[in-house]
Amino acid sequence: EADIYQTPRYLVIGTGKKITLECSQTMGHDKMYWYQQDPGMELHLIHYSYGVNSTEKGDLSSESTVSRIRTEHFPLTLESARPSHTSQYLCASSESPGQGPEKLFFGSGTQLSVL
Amino acid sequence: GNSVTQMEGPVTLSEEAFLTINCTYTATGYPSLFWYVQYPGEGLQLLLKATKADDKGSNKGFEATYRKETTSFHLEKGSVQVSDSAVYFCALSDQGFQKLVFGTGTRLLVSP
Repeated sequence: EADIYQTPRYLVIGTGKKITLECSQTMGHDKMYWYQQDPGMELHLIHYSYGVNSTEKGDLSSESTVSRIRTEHFPLTLESARPSHTSQYLCASSESPGQGPEKLFFGSGTQLSVL
Repeated sequence: GNSVTQMEGPVTLSEEAFLTINCTYTATGYPSLFWYVQYPGEGLQLLLKATKADDKGSNKGFEATYRKETTSFHLEKGSVQVSDSAVYFCALSDQGFQKLVFGTGTRLLVSP
């Protein structure tokens, strides 16, 4: 059912590398989100976007950055990865306000390990 | 601010047992309430929702009733299956539907 895709599924990299996690959706949703999920399963919102050229920081401070140049694409970038960035990263999208209660569609996630 | 509190897991049950996962919330106004489920190796998916007081959301045998007087949205299922093993997240949306606030998740383990 979900048409939201994340790549890569798993990524193991060394400290100091620059990485980009990809997220794409084909549903035409305006709103997109990045969540960081720690090993204890808790979800932390780190970035969100209301549409093209809109990006906002979430509830948890993150050294990552995002961009929204196209509706369907919401990549997350880490300029210099560190072991503390090791986590599961989940991308999600939803329809615009006014469409009813918020239903998020999630990708399968990227498991990032920084050595 | 808005927040969601879930019971800690893991919850371990035998197949066909009755399930309750507690969820309470703190919110201003009248939020919508949700249960999301995360199966191993996957992202979250919406399980059920309720948009106003006394609404009952249901799906796949799971139910939850929006109780404003107790600010609760407990998840129940009469007879769990091994395939229900997953992590369950309670969530609420603020009035502007700008974003969801998730609970910490409760892992359910069902054994044959």
